[in-house]
Amino acid sequence: SQTIHQWPATLVQPVGSPLSLECTVEGTSNPNLYWYRQAAGRGLQLLFYSVGIGQISSEVPQNLSASRPQDRQFILSSKKLLLSDSGFYLCAWRSTADGSYNEQFFGPGTRLTVL
Amino acid sequence: SQKIEQNSEALNIQEGKTATLTCNYTNYSPAYLQWYRQDPGRGPVFLLLIRENEKEKRKERLKVTFDTTLKQSLFHITASQPADSATYLCALTGGGFQKLVFGTGTRLLVSP
Repeated sequence: SQTIHQWPATLVQPVGSPLSLECTVEGTSNPNLYWYRQAAGRGLQLLFYSVGIGQISSEVPQNLSASRPQDRQFILSSKKLLLSDSGFYLCAWRSTADGSYNEQFFGPGTRLTVL
Repeated sequence: SQKIEQNSEALNIQEGKTATLTCNYTNYSPAYLQWYRQDPGRGPVFLLLIRENEKEKRKERLKVTFDTTLKQSLFHITASQPADSATYLCALTGGGFQKLVFGTGTRLLVSP
């Protein structure tokens, strides 16, 4: 069966510090991968998605970047965090296998607080 | 502009009743519409998907309808239970099958 891992679960970082959040998926090949952010009381905002190794599409211009160094690994980074980067970060994957539905499967999330 | 709207006010119902949540959208032509459940501090969990050519989809106590003329989906939970208390998000395809656009969600509270 497929599983998705995210770490860390919680993170408190000072303004101006770097960020690296990692997401890995097991049990599937060539998934589409996604990074979302959910601010308190708000909906899911798609930040980046990837259809393959090294292929990143950015949805919102901002202080963050993403990379996909391996098929089932997706990394969210920042060189200098802003207060507005605080939020709940979610990684998700979608199967590209024939006959699969279009649903996405989410990881447990990382709660980031920038102080 | 494109919008997906869900009632931001919490829906409070009694156990055993049917909960009905609404999702309205404008300036989209989605091929699919999906519903997810999200518990506090957790990632969303997929519940149901309905295609544009389907009027209704059921799964156990859940029912989803999709009216592309009204640009609306209704999500029903019959015989609701306190364990159904959560935030429910609708999502639709936007800009290609790879991407989903989510509504802000409606919080459902089922009291015993």
